[in-house]
Amino acid sequence: AQSVTQLGSHVSVSEGALVLLRCNYSSSVPPYLFWYVQYPNQGLQLLLKYTSAATLVKGINGFEAEFKKSETSFHLTKPSAHMSDAAEYFCAVRVYNQGGKLIFGQGTELSVKP
Amino acid sequence: GAGVSQSPSNKVTEKGKDVELRCDPISGHTALYWYRQRLGQGLEFLIYFQGNSAPDKSGLPSDRFSAERTGESVSTLTIQRTQQEDSAVYLCASRQGGNQPQHFGDGTRLSIL
Repeated sequence: AQSVTQLGSHVSVSEGALVLLRCNYSSSVPPYLFWYVQYPNQGLQLLLKYTSAATLVKGINGFEAEFKKSETSFHLTKPSAHMSDAAEYFCAVRVYNQGGKLIFGQGTELSVKP
Repeated sequence: GAGVSQSPSNKVTEKGKDVELRCDPISGHTALYWYRQRLGQGLEFLIYFQGNSAPDKSGLPSDRFSAERTGESVSTLTIQRTQQEDSAVYLCASRQGGNQPQHFGDGTRLSIL
């Protein structure tokens, strides 16, 4: 079975500080991993995806994530937080051989303080 | 529009009533997914359609839940005899295929009184 775990349901950073949102996965096959962002009263927007190519993946809005097989991690980072980054972030793994179905983590709410 | 469209955006109904939620996928997307998001939680998979294949219904929580899709077009999620625990945001996503990601609608916020 595949799963993802997001460490920390709530992260708070100051504007301009490093953003680090943690995601660990469990998978017996090479995983396809995704980060999505959800703003209030909206659906999910894709930030970035890992599909077994380069291990460092760059996404939109200055975010990036690094796939580390040895640590079974796919943490999301951004060097400098902006107020507009405040949102809920979800890590997800694509279920192997089940038509692209995704399993999501519980989400991490990011707050950015001025 | 170019995105996934869901309607209604909000629905309030009394316990015991039936509700129908609609999803218009992105044109050309063969796969369509329904998820449920309870307050403060992640997304739970409900059902998946791929072209004319039999849908994957493995996530439907009870026989009160059903969904249909005609070809590669609109899908409807129906909840019969609604219960208060059905209160959630119901999100629809579509995908082109291959390694392409899912694209999500803004969801329907369902409140059961």
